[in-house]
Amino acid sequence: DGGITQSPKYLFRKEGQNVTLSCEQNLNHDAMYWYRQDPGQGLRLIYYSQIVNDFQKGDIAEGYSVSREKKESFPLTVTSAQKNPTAFYLCASSITPRESTDTQYFGPGTRLTVL
Amino acid sequence: AQSVAQPEDQVNVAEGNPLTVKCTYSVSGNPYLFWYVQYPNRGLQFLLKYITGDNLVKGSYGFEAEFNKSQTSFHLKKPSALVSDSALYFCAVNPVGGATNKLIFGTGTLLAVQP
Repeated sequence: DGGITQSPKYLFRKEGQNVTLSCEQNLNHDAMYWYRQDPGQGLRLIYYSQIVNDFQKGDIAEGYSVSREKKESFPLTVTSAQKNPTAFYLCASSITPRESTDTQYFGPGTRLTVL
Repeated sequence: AQSVAQPEDQVNVAEGNPLTVKCTYSVSGNPYLFWYVQYPNRGLQFLLKYITGDNLVKGSYGFEAEFNKSQTSFHLKKPSALVSDSALYFCAVNPVGGATNKLIFGTGTLLAVQP
C-alpha cells in the first residue's frame, strides 16, 4: 500500500447521491487506474489515465466519472447512474502507461455501501 | 477472448506443507504474468511477475511461480505454508503488445492454512 492513499476507507451513500473517492500517489507514477472488486469476480477496470488531463474508459465505466488534473491525484466519482455501486474500490498506479512489464501498485481501497 | 482462470475458489493446506495455487491463461503471444495477494479489507500487494527468461520466478515472502508455456500456466508455489499466508491470491496477465498497461485478473483463490 505504500505511496498510494485512498480515502475514505468506508463510505456510505444514499440512493441518488453522487460520491467521490479520493486517490493520491507520491510515487511520481504517470499512470493511474481505478478497479472495482466484487466477491467472486476479481478486479474489473473502471477507468485509467496515462497522463495528466487524459483518461480512458475501462471495461465497466458506465455510471462513473474521473478527472486527472494533477499527476498525483485521480479521483473517482460514483454517480447516481451507477445502479449497483456497492463494492470495494481499488486505485493503482504504475511508472509508465504503456510498458506492459510495469508492476501496478495498489492503494488500501475504499468500501462503498449504498443504503 | 483473453482471459485468466483460477480453477480453485479455495485451497486448504496444513501449516508446514507445500502449497500450490493454480493459474492458467488464454491470451495471444507471450504475456507478462503477475501474482498479487490481498488480506481482508486491504489493497493488493505485489508478489512476483514473469517477464522473460528463467521459468521459475522467485518473489516476496518465500513464494515462487513456475511459468509453463506449453500448458499456458503460471502456478504459485511455496515449499512450506504459514498460517499468515492465509489470504486471497490473484493471478493477472498483461498481453504483450498492448498499447496500455492493462491487466486482466483472475477471480481469485482463497488460501486457508490450518495450524
